[in-house]
Amino acid sequence: TQLLEQSPQFLSIQEGENLTVYCNSSSVFSSLQWYRQEPGEGPVLLVTVVTGGEVKKLKRLTFQFGDARKDSSLHITAAQPGDTGLYLCAGALRGANNLFFGTGTRLTVIP
Amino acid sequence: DTEVTQTPKHLVMGMTNKKSLKCEQHMGHRAMYWYKQKAKKPPELMFVYSYEKLSINESVPSRFSPECPNSSLLNLHLHALQPEDSALYLCASSQVAAGREETQYFGPGTRLLVL
Repeated sequence: TQLLEQSPQFLSIQEGENLTVYCNSSSVFSSLQWYRQEPGEGPVLLVTVVTGGEVKKLKRLTFQFGDARKDSSLHITAAQPGDTGLYLCAGALRGANNLFFGTGTRLTVIP
Repeated sequence: DTEVTQTPKHLVMGMTNKKSLKCEQHMGHRAMYWYKQKAKKPPELMFVYSYEKLSINESVPSRFSPECPNSSLLNLHLHALQPEDSALYLCASSQVAAGREETQYFGPGTRLLVL
């Protein structure tokens, strides 16, 4: 059973378009991270959200943690080819010693 | 500095070989992790070390043997692997293994091919 489901699984868009990736669960997380990973490389941390309802911006990327801390979204404005990669959300459960990774969203931005 | 380093970057080994993967961090983190990642899938947790002690083993076969010589180093010893063990092996570290902001920082990975 997958604790965190991401949607969509695959996304192919034109440069300049906007997109949103969703990360959903029925569990409550104490924190949630978003990573981007390129082929053959390790995941690179984009953001950590901790408080329910929290919104964080990183240039053209906007991250939101759900009020109930069960879900999160990543919105990219005016996507660029450099945004291409595998986007992973990962949640920390209170008392657990590890992160639980989402199913991943593979984004391709076409020039 | 949020760098986690891993060596080697690539490794090809036969099923009878013994090899080791190495991971190092100098952020003062007390939790370190090994993950296995197959193509187009998210990372799967293998082991967690907390304060140099093994705290989680996700039912990993004994042909994978982790070792944490000190708080900065994490090794993964490989012996008698199978071709299906071919994958990207990722190391990560975090301040502590449990906590509200358990942000993990990943290394670049070792691409392992078992022939």
